[in-house]
Amino acid sequence: QKEVEQNSGPLSVPEGAIASLNCTYSDRGSQSFFWYRQYSGKSPELIMFIYSNGDKEDGRFTAQLNKASQYVSLLIRDSQPSDSATYLCAVNIGDTNAGKSTFGDGTTLTVKP
Amino acid sequence: DVKVTQSSRYLVKRTGEKVFLECVQDMDHENMFWYRQDPGLGLRLIYFSYDVKMKEKGDIPEGYSVSREKKERFSLILESASTNQTSMYLCASSLYIPTSLWELFFGEGSRLTVL
Repeated sequence: QKEVEQNSGPLSVPEGAIASLNCTYSDRGSQSFFWYRQYSGKSPELIMFIYSNGDKEDGRFTAQLNKASQYVSLLIRDSQPSDSATYLCAVNIGDTNAGKSTFGDGTTLTVKP
Repeated sequence: DVKVTQSSRYLVKRTGEKVFLECVQDMDHENMFWYRQDPGLGLRLIYFSYDVKMKEKGDIPEGYSVSREKKERFSLILESASTNQTSMYLCASSLYIPTSLWELFFGEGSRLTVL
């Protein structure tokens, strides 16, 4: 089993719809969770992080964490064509490996006008 | 602005050559990382460093070595390049910040082709 797994893509949604991206992780010691966005030919950039159970909202983006189910998701509301990118889920285990992130394979999202 | 600079964007090398990939950050970050990115395999950690002259193996260190002689510079070395090391190499740095925890800042990447 991979340490971090993301729902297989590609994912295609119409403009204005909600895009839902999912991620599961295997290590129960995982403490912080990140979503990076990577445009084609570019480097990843952080869009959201979360470390407490529940929801965290930032504009059109909502990150959801359920540690009991070892599940983290990213919702993008009112999806725009500019949201078309690969979304990478990353997990940090804790202070002993502070800053070391393990990534999922990524989910490619296409938002169609 | 945060800046991580990778010296070479594109390299073409021959099998058996020694390859150096250089990365410099200007943010005084303690942590630096080398990842490789391959289609369908995501980002995989090769090596990381928490301090000058300190290094730790990541998930796929075989065939690679690193050097960190100065805080701002982290080099990835392929002692004898092989075709299966053809990939995109991403350098990153991080520092703990309460507002973003251990956010990784990435360089633009170095695309290496080994013939």
